Amino acid sequence: DIQMTQSPSSVSASVGDRVTITCRASQDISSWLAWYQQKPGKAPEVLISRASGLQSGVPSRFSGSGSGTDFTLTISSLQPEDFATYYCQQLKSFPLTFGGGTKVEIK
Amino acid sequence: QVRLQESGPGLVKASETLSLTCAVSDYSISSASYWGWFRQPPGKGLEWIGSIFPSGSTYYNPSLKSRVTISLDTSKNQFSLELSSVTAADTAMYYCARRRDSCFDPWGQGTLVTVSS
Repeated sequence: DIQMTQSPSSVSASVGDRVTITCRASQDISSWLAWYQQKPGKAPEVLISRASGLQSGVPSRFSGSGSGTDFTLTISSLQPEDFATYYCQQLKSFPLTFGGGTKVEIK
Repeated sequence: QVRLQESGPGLVKASETLSLTCAVSDYSISSASYWGWFRQPPGKGLEWIGSIFPSGSTYYNPSLKSRVTISLDTSKNQFSLELSSVTAADTAMYYCARRRDSCFDPWGQGTLVTVSS
């Protein structure tokens, strides 16, 4: 199984801050990685697919990068609506696996 | 715009079988790459349960494989999840979602299933 290690598990930041979340795969997954945002009581919503493909309707302050085993989600200027939990997911092979999540909290 | 809606009992007794259905609207269930079931225990992270292809082929999480069955009903445009011999550890929000490109999108709103002793 491919293990996904996400860090940090939580981050405290202010509006306007730049936030970076990392995800490391236990083996090469090429670009088969997605990032999701989940707000309390809601289903996850995809932000990024194929490691760096910004989904339609997602603000351009979100960006993804990386390939192989190391990936990054960056929020260039944190907005109030961005306080949420973020998950990475590998789609290279079954069983599909997620990172443990990163909770972005208000500082 | 494709929509997914989970349905099923919100309360299941321990040792019994959890059964959920995901109804797909405005999109043919035969058109997707495949479909997935996921769950999230209260306050915890996301876990993939299993997936089903339009052909009916299935893949399951090894940790649940002995207890999981996912099936497809193309006539009703829906797919289903059965999880047998449930325990309190199976209490979670259960989601269904469509595999699209390199992501799952959209997701259903989720349904909370509580296992009672």
